[in-house]
Amino acid sequence: DVKVTQSSRYLVKRTGEKVFLECVQDMDHENMFWYRQDPGLGLRLIYFSYDVKMKEKGDIPEGYSVSREKKERFSLILESASTNQTSMYLCARGQGAYEQYFGPGTRLTVT
Amino acid sequence: AQSVTQLDSQVPVFEEAPVELRCNYSSSVSVYLFWYVQYPNQGLQLLLKYLSGSTLVKGINGFEAEFNKSQTSFHLRKPSVHISDTAEYFCAVSEMNRDDKIIFGKGTRLHILP
Repeated sequence: DVKVTQSSRYLVKRTGEKVFLECVQDMDHENMFWYRQDPGLGLRLIYFSYDVKMKEKGDIPEGYSVSREKKERFSLILESASTNQTSMYLCARGQGAYEQYFGPGTRLTVT
Repeated sequence: AQSVTQLDSQVPVFEEAPVELRCNYSSSVSVYLFWYVQYPNQGLQLLLKYLSGSTLVKGINGFEAEFNKSQTSFHLRKPSVHISDTAEYFCAVSEMNRDDKIIFGKGTRLHILP
């Protein structure tokens, strides 16, 4: 069974903290993605990566960075968390013909 | 640039009634189209996709969608809904020959009424 795992389902952090969200895929797929999901706004792409050490900005990269040192792992980093980064974060990897396979999500609350 | 519009943010429907969730897209090139479903407290999963061929696409759980190029639409339908269909549904589009980016609509929340 295909799996994309995210390190935490729920996370609470304080303003100003550095936050790491980890995503691990079980396949050898090149493409991986980070989205945030907010009510009424749908999914918005933060960053994506099409290979190790390669990354591209999505639609809302401000306040975020990413790291991809190994093909199976794609990390999202909040350098200094702020309350407006409270959201659901979804990781996905490419699968087959142009579709994406999603992890269960991490609900992050910044207080 | 591509965009996706889901015309309804919420759709209430009685159990065993038919439902249609509307989706329109815009793009200057040929596209692939998708519907994803998100059940409460879960990630998204693929419901169905249109890549080429027949414009009527059948997916999981009895859902189907029809690609209409002239109207740039990809509406999702089910002839009889069940309480277990309560979820949020996302329409999405990607440009042909580019598998590095999908644009999602804002979602439609389907409420099944007893």
